Amino acid sequence: DAKTTQPNSMESNEEEPVHLPCNHSTISGTDYIHWYRQLPSQGPEYVIHGLTSNVNNRMASLAIAEDRKSSTLILHRATLRDAAVYYCILRTSGSRLTFGEGTQLTVNP
Amino acid sequence: DTEVTQTPKHLVMGMTNKKSLKCEQHMGHRAMYWYKQKAKKPPELMFVYSYEKLSINESVPSRFSPECPNSSLLNLHLHALQPEDSALYLCASSHHTGNSPLHFGNGTRLTVT
Repeated sequence: DAKTTQPNSMESNEEEPVHLPCNHSTISGTDYIHWYRQLPSQGPEYVIHGLTSNVNNRMASLAIAEDRKSSTLILHRATLRDAAVYYCILRTSGSRLTFGEGTQLTVNP
Repeated sequence: DTEVTQTPKHLVMGMTNKKSLKCEQHMGHRAMYWYKQKAKKPPELMFVYSYEKLSINESVPSRFSPECPNSSLLNLHLHALQPEDSALYLCASSHHTGNSPLHFGNGTRLTVT
C-alpha cells in the first residue's frame, strides 16, 4: 500500500479554519484519498474522500494537488468537538483500509 | 450514537475463558470488518467479511475466531487469550468492499487478566 505522511500534531483556535496536510508522493492512479477521524473514546468516523477533484461535504473540504502527491483536509470553522486524530489513507477500490499514525488536532477555546 | 452497535462495551476475561464480541448493523451493508486498536495507536485490520464470506484474514492467531451468521451480524469468538491481546476491538461495515466508506462502532474495550 502507498504510504501517507502527516504531522504528528496540530493546534487550532475555535471558530478558525484548519488545514490538515497529507503527503502521498507514491500515490498510484487508482488510489483514492480518504480521511477519517477518531474522537476520544469513539470509533473512527468517515470524513471525506476523493480521487482527483476537490470535494466538499457537510463536514469538510478536501483539496487535492494537481499532481496528487499531496492533499489538504479543510475544516472551515473548527469547534471543540473537532478535536480528534485525523487519518489520511490511500485506498484502491476493493483494498484494505489501512490506518497510519494520523494527526492529533487540538482545538483551543 | 453510531449505526454499528457493539456489545459488550467493556469485557474483562481470564486467559482460560471463552467469550464472544458481537457487532450488529441494519444499514444493509454487505461488508463487515474487525479491527484491533492498542492505546495511542491506529486501528489494525484483523478480518474482512464480504457477503458473509471471510475474504481477508490478516494472519490473526487462531485464538481469535470470527463468524458472520448473517448479513447484519458479526461475532468475534475469543479463547485462550493473552494479556497482550488487551485492546479496543472495533467493528465496521460498508456497502461493499469497494470504495464505500466504513461505518465504525465504538468498540469493545477488552482486558485480559
